[in-house]
Amino acid sequence: DAGVIQSPRHEVTEMGQEVTLRCKPISGHNSLFWYRQTMMRGLELLIYFNNNVPIDDSGMPEDRFSAKMPNASFSTLKIQPSEPRDSAVYFCASRRGNQPQHFGDGTRLSIL
Amino acid sequence: GESVGLHLPTLSVQEGDNSIINCAYSNSASDYFIWYKQESGKGPQFIIDIRSNMDKRQGQRVTVLLNKTVKHLSLQIAATQPGDSAVYFCAENGASSNTGKLIFGQGTTLQVKP
Repeated sequence: DAGVIQSPRHEVTEMGQEVTLRCKPISGHNSLFWYRQTMMRGLELLIYFNNNVPIDDSGMPEDRFSAKMPNASFSTLKIQPSEPRDSAVYFCASRRGNQPQHFGDGTRLSIL
Repeated sequence: GESVGLHLPTLSVQEGDNSIINCAYSNSASDYFIWYKQESGKGPQFIIDIRSNMDKRQGQRVTVLLNKTVKHLSLQIAATQPGDSAVYFCAENGASSNTGKLIFGQGTTLQVKP
């Protein structure tokens, strides 16, 4: 079975550039979560969707971050403009109902 | 505030021994707990979960124990193997029991010596 698919796996870009991270959840899952992982802050929830609707975006750091889920099989996390402190590994996870969340292998983002 | 913490940042065990990874949580409203394993360069992988109406749950070579009185969670791995080397995270749902939100601990690194 295909798991959560994230792209790109690695992204290196200069500060000020727009960054778009992509996620394809597991088919049939109705909730999708975006996390950020850093050494200093660990794994933090940024935003999550239920049935394609954003439910809680209180973890989004600031207005430079935005997320969309246009349909049940695709979500994006966008950073515009990007800053060096946004460098981290970004994970997407999905789940069905009250089942455990399943994570993708992340996008390692480096902002120079 | 809510916090999920781990007692030890690194645990080193001999191959074949049993491992116990501990986790403390602070929110008494949490009713769902979960353990993940994260290998280098990969995303967290679900191991086992437990709800607050239980105090023990077993999986394949793993057991999770929940002590609500002292707000403590542990993961026991039997006959630890080199492939078990990874960072282990506990997480709780805090006060958001029906939303799926998880609060993660900082992680414990498990090193298995051959």
